[in-house]
Formats: sequence, structure tokens, C-alpha cells
Amino acid sequence: GAGVSQSPSNKVTEKGKDVELRCDPISGHTALYWYRQSLGQGLEFLIYFQGNSAPDKSGLPSDRFSAERTGGSVSTLTIQRTQQEDSAVYLCASSLGGVTNYGYTFGSGTRLTVV
Amino acid sequence: KNEVEQSPQNLTAQEGEFITINCSYSVGISALHWLQQHPGGGIVSLFMLSSGKKKHGRLIATINIQEKHSSLHITASHPRDSAVYICTPSIIQGAQKLVFGQGTRLTINP
Repeated sequence: GAGVSQSPSNKVTEKGKDVELRCDPISGHTALYWYRQSLGQGLEFLIYFQGNSAPDKSGLPSDRFSAERTGGSVSTLTIQRTQQEDSAVYLCASSLGGVTNYGYTFGSGTRLTVV
Repeated sequence: KNEVEQSPQNLTAQEGEFITINCSYSVGISALHWLQQHPGGGIVSLFMLSSGKKKHGRLIATINIQEKHSSLHITASHPRDSAVYICTPSIIQGAQKLVFGQGTRLTINP
């Protein structure tokens, strides 16, 4: 596609439920990143996928968070047993290669509210 | 100490003023990005640089790798420049991990 597409744009869920957030990167972009931004806070790195390499999961805040990227394209971020502190805007970005050599493009984000 | 420090945290200026936002970092980096986040939340990557200076329209970004410092300048500022500007170094260690400054909230008054 022309840009990075994220869905849903807004999600309200009850505490304890599981949620899945989707990211469709720019076609041909091998690198894909997930970040989150809590209200009034800065950006927080979650996970990074690059091609067929093992993902860098070092930013995932707990084992309730997981992500996968199928076929090197679409990625899904799953949050199990959601907690109120998970409420944030979850942002996906993709890059033609690693961000050392290329810029990256952000999606418009998914606003997750856990009630 | 945070790995990335931006200053100022908040900046209000009049239209037409020259704006400078500073970023200092303590880690070894391979590149540094400046991001712009508008009030609606959308994020745009403005610059990626690993040395010297880049210019795009009224925006100029500079970096001094030895001093671990980067600046973002806006000439002839305009109210539409009002946004949060975020400094984002890409650290050398690990797989392309990015660290983020807390951002500088810029408000340009007409």
C-alpha cells in the first residue's frame, strides 16, 4: 500500500480480555517496528522485525505481549489479559531496511483503552 | 541519566522566529532521526542523519557525532510548525534499537 496501515484505529476493551492489533507495512519494507505511547509520555519501543531474522523483543513490557509477522509482511501485536496500564496508542512503523540506513514511516496508530 | 535529553521541553515563540531544538545523547549511535508529531497524533519522520547537516525546506538538522549532539532548526517559523519534535537515536548495540527523547512541544503563535 501507499502507507503503513493499522487497524483498528480505536479499540476499547474490558480488563482481562485479549486484543489483537494489526499492522500492514509499506509493500517491500523489510523492517517493521511496534511502539507505544502512553498518555502524556514519550514513545516506547516494543519489538522489531527485520526480514527473516529473529525479532528483537527486548522492549515488550511483559509476557502478556507478543507479536508475529507472517510472510514478512503483515504483523499482529497481541496483548493477553489486558490491564488498564496497557491503555496507550500503539504505533507501527516500517522501513525499507534497518533504520540506520533508511528512514521509516509510521502508521496512524491504534488507540487502545482498557476499561 | 536518560540516554537521550532534549531541550527545551516546551517552547513558545512568535511566528517568524528562528527555532532551535537540541538533543544530546549518551550512547554510541549509527544514525539519528528527528520525528514530528502533530496534535492529532500522527508521526512523520523529518530527517535521518549520521553526520553533518541536512536541509528540507525551512527545516535544518545538524549532528556532531563526536560531541553526541544534534540540533533541529526551523527558520521563519509558522503556526503549522506547532507540534512535538522527537529526537530518536539509533544505537549501535543490538538490532537497530531506537531510543527516544521525551520530545519538545513547540507552539508558534500567529
